[in-house]
Amino acid sequence: DAKTTQPTSMDCAEGRAANLPCNHSTISGNEYVYWYRQIHSQGPQYIIHGLKNNETNEMASLIITEDRKSSTLILPHATLRDTAVYYCIVRPFGNEKLTFGTGTRLTIIP
Amino acid sequence: DAEITQSPRHKITETGRQVTLACHQTWNHNNMFWYRQDLGHGLRLIHYSYGVHDTNKGEVSDGYSVSRSNTEDLPLTLESAASSQTSVYFCASSDQTGREAFFGQGTRLTVV
Repeated sequence: DAKTTQPTSMDCAEGRAANLPCNHSTISGNEYVYWYRQIHSQGPQYIIHGLKNNETNEMASLIITEDRKSSTLILPHATLRDTAVYYCIVRPFGNEKLTFGTGTRLTIIP
Repeated sequence: DAEITQSPRHKITETGRQVTLACHQTWNHNNMFWYRQDLGHGLRLIHYSYGVHDTNKGEVSDGYSVSRSNTEDLPLTLESAASSQTSVYFCASSDQTGREAFFGQGTRLTVV
């Protein structure tokens, strides 16, 4: 699976948009970008995934650059409950294993 | 609602004892996974299964075993518990598309 690079930590003011970057410069054509988050002491939670088009769901938006070498997860109106570690994962379609890196620790500031 | 549950949530055991952690899912998912999480290492894959009677080793499988006798359960066994296996253990499941994995709430295991 392609390796990802994420900032170790980020802060965001409550109510503002949180933009979490992820670099995956060695991504292959058949690999998807997945985002999960882990709120303190809980199991990871799926957020969103995409291949090359931008994606949006009720939780977040995923913006993937045209060359697919990087992506940004956007939480449009961050709340205190969004404080968590966010993991960016790339893996091929059909490969069900998830390989977690160290992620970005996002802290929402009141 | 479908769910994935782990038991026990907390366990303390002695070095050398055999320990089994339970994972039960009602999603009817084919794929099930066990991870451990330690400070400084993130989540690491121990074992996984793509269906009944199928098991595979992950990156940190030494000292652990699993068996899959039905779709719903993937118990994780520590054959002879060691202090290095003190950790938080997470079970997960997903369907065959692998689109979204669902994680349990974790089991905190302490080996003394």
